[in-house]
Amino acid sequence: DTAVSQTPKYLVTQMGNDKSIKCEQNLGHDTMYWYKQDSKKFLKIMFSYNNKELIINETVPNRFSPKSPDKAHLNLHINSLELGDSAVYFCASSPTGGWNTIYFGEGSWLTVV
Amino acid sequence: AQTVTQSQPEMSVQEAETVTLSCTYDTSESNYYLFWYKQPPSRQMILVIRQEAYKQQNATENRFSVNFQKAAKSFSLKISDSQLGDTAMYFCAFMKPNSGNTPLVFGKGTRLSVIA
Repeated sequence: DTAVSQTPKYLVTQMGNDKSIKCEQNLGHDTMYWYKQDSKKFLKIMFSYNNKELIINETVPNRFSPKSPDKAHLNLHINSLELGDSAVYFCASSPTGGWNTIYFGEGSWLTVV
Repeated sequence: AQTVTQSQPEMSVQEAETVTLSCTYDTSESNYYLFWYKQPPSRQMILVIRQEAYKQQNATENRFSVNFQKAAKSFSLKISDSQLGDTAMYFCAFMKPNSGNTPLVFGKGTRLSVIA
């Protein structure tokens, strides 16, 4: 029944590794997002996809590569992980038109050691 | 670019009392959406309340209500009858009306502690 689900919820990995976080929404929304919440709790948009097309790509290192195989899924792949990538990554989705309330997943807590 | 400012990094309130969290924003848009999200220790982002800028009536959801002052670009959240479960980070957020892909712009959050 989870509306926006992301896996894994917790991830501890070493510097230099490559990792992926998966996200799926069952709300029928057209738009999906990745947000990053840093250690100071500040939430910032990273990417936005609308119907599988990349719409927003904020100033994010190209080690981060989102992929949307269909409009219900938006995965985040991170290459060559660095200590500064440690954060909570939130996937989210919203409908097109009308109330554009954004619904969030539970977050994926990434720790790079 | 839109900005959202929450001037109170931390607040506390006694259980059953009322507390107001402040939020101001800057935009040149005439229509937009405003939100308050709650983030408890579990880290889940939970929508508390939302407001459309063209509606003058303040939104209310049970114990939560807002004071929306469009001219002043102010959007404060009032929590009545505070409960221990209200302890959380509260984020004010702004969204332009959309073409389907407008992200939220968040403030830096206010950490609210409800004390028994």
